Amino acid sequence: GNSVTQMEGPVTLSEEAFLTINCTYTATGYPSLFWYVQYPGEGLQLLLKATKADDKGSNKGFEATYRKETTSFHLEKGSVQVSDSAVYFCALSHSNYQLIWGAGTKLIIKP
Amino acid sequence: GAVVSQHPSWVICKSGTSVKIECRSLDFQATTMFWYRQFPKQSLMLMATSNEGSKATYEQGVEKDKFLINHASLTLSTLTVTSAHPEDSSFYICSARVGGSEADTQYFGPGTRLTVL
Repeated sequence: GNSVTQMEGPVTLSEEAFLTINCTYTATGYPSLFWYVQYPGEGLQLLLKATKADDKGSNKGFEATYRKETTSFHLEKGSVQVSDSAVYFCALSHSNYQLIWGAGTKLIIKP
Repeated sequence: GAVVSQHPSWVICKSGTSVKIECRSLDFQATTMFWYRQFPKQSLMLMATSNEGSKATYEQGVEKDKFLINHASLTLSTLTVTSAHPEDSSFYICSARVGGSEADTQYFGPGTRLTVL
């Protein structure tokens, strides 16, 4: 079946460090891939998405490239800020538009 | 664009009472809305998929008589937790699917924190 695996957290970095949060997936067909972010006490916000192989989604300095050959969609940012502290969820869109979620990765950025 | 609101943002109720949570798409029409439940430090659990004008489709293990979903219009879906008990305390989040070229994308409401005493 379809599934999403992302690296366990928490991930703790210093401000201005480089960020990578790994995400790999298992799916039939050609799913769309997403990163959502959840700030403390809030709902989820769409961070970026990619709908086909080799697409790169980007937003707010974050990037992720849809790699079909490695079934991955790793999230990267060149220089993180304290305000990036949140929980990040990787997800794929099923054929019936339901989202299959990763477990979430908590990111803590220290000043 | 693609803003989803939820009301209330938090609610405290006594055991045995019912609570209604509203989910609205503010600037688009949503043919499909989803209801999730999130436990502390965990990912989202899909409870049901709601299509305008038809009965909701519940996920396995979700009691349809306890969690009543009504999708009365293209911009409003409601979740009613009936005869709430402390174990129903949770963070409930709705999302709406935009459709068209973004048919695969869900936009989420800010969530409703329910505490049952």
